Amino acid sequence: NAGVMQNPRHLVRRRGQEARLRCSPMKGHSHVYWYRQLPEEGLKFMVYLQKENIIDESGMPKERFSAEFPKEGPSILRIQQVVRGDSAAYFCASSGPGYGYTFGSGTRLTVV
Amino acid sequence: GENVEQHPSTLSVQEGDSAVIKCTYSDSASNYFPWYKQELGKRPQLIIDIRSNVGEKKDQRIAVTLNKTAKHFSLHITETQPEDSAVYFCAASPTTGNQFYFGTGTSLTVIP
Repeated sequence: NAGVMQNPRHLVRRRGQEARLRCSPMKGHSHVYWYRQLPEEGLKFMVYLQKENIIDESGMPKERFSAEFPKEGPSILRIQQVVRGDSAAYFCASSGPGYGYTFGSGTRLTVV
Repeated sequence: GENVEQHPSTLSVQEGDSAVIKCTYSDSASNYFPWYKQELGKRPQLIIDIRSNVGEKKDQRIAVTLNKTAKHFSLHITETQPEDSAVYFCAASPTTGNQFYFGTGTSLTVIP
């Protein structure tokens, strides 16, 4: 079991570009969650998805951010027209039957 | 929604001493309380969890206690070692498969 796979591990984007972050959940997990962690801060919930459905996006900024979890393929967190304030570590987690999340290794986004 | 508060934000202990981190939550419907350890630059990893039908759980040097009436739960680490140094996050969840609400983290430093 490869665990939760996130890629890329590091992503550098210029202001105004688009960032695409990918997350493949653990085998057998159908729930995916995205969290953002600013330097020396906690984990802030962004969005919770199941296959082809957004269950809770209450933590997602209203503009420029979107997420999807298609029937086939990984979950994608998309940030359009990135700004310096988007620089952070973005963690994906997945869960399945039973309790507990498993986190991926994160994508560290740097906007220059 | 759920609000999780965590104290202290930083904690320094001498090697061999005990460390205690406390969290409170607001939603009485929460019934699952995991604790995560995050080392610098790495993913949060589950170290112990407790469900609302249990008051205390222990795993070697780590224990968690839960007081549902007071809506607080605590992490206890005994005989601390330098490798325990990390940021610890508590979380609360109303049910499996739903998003977790995280505390703001405690940076633990164990001084050799």
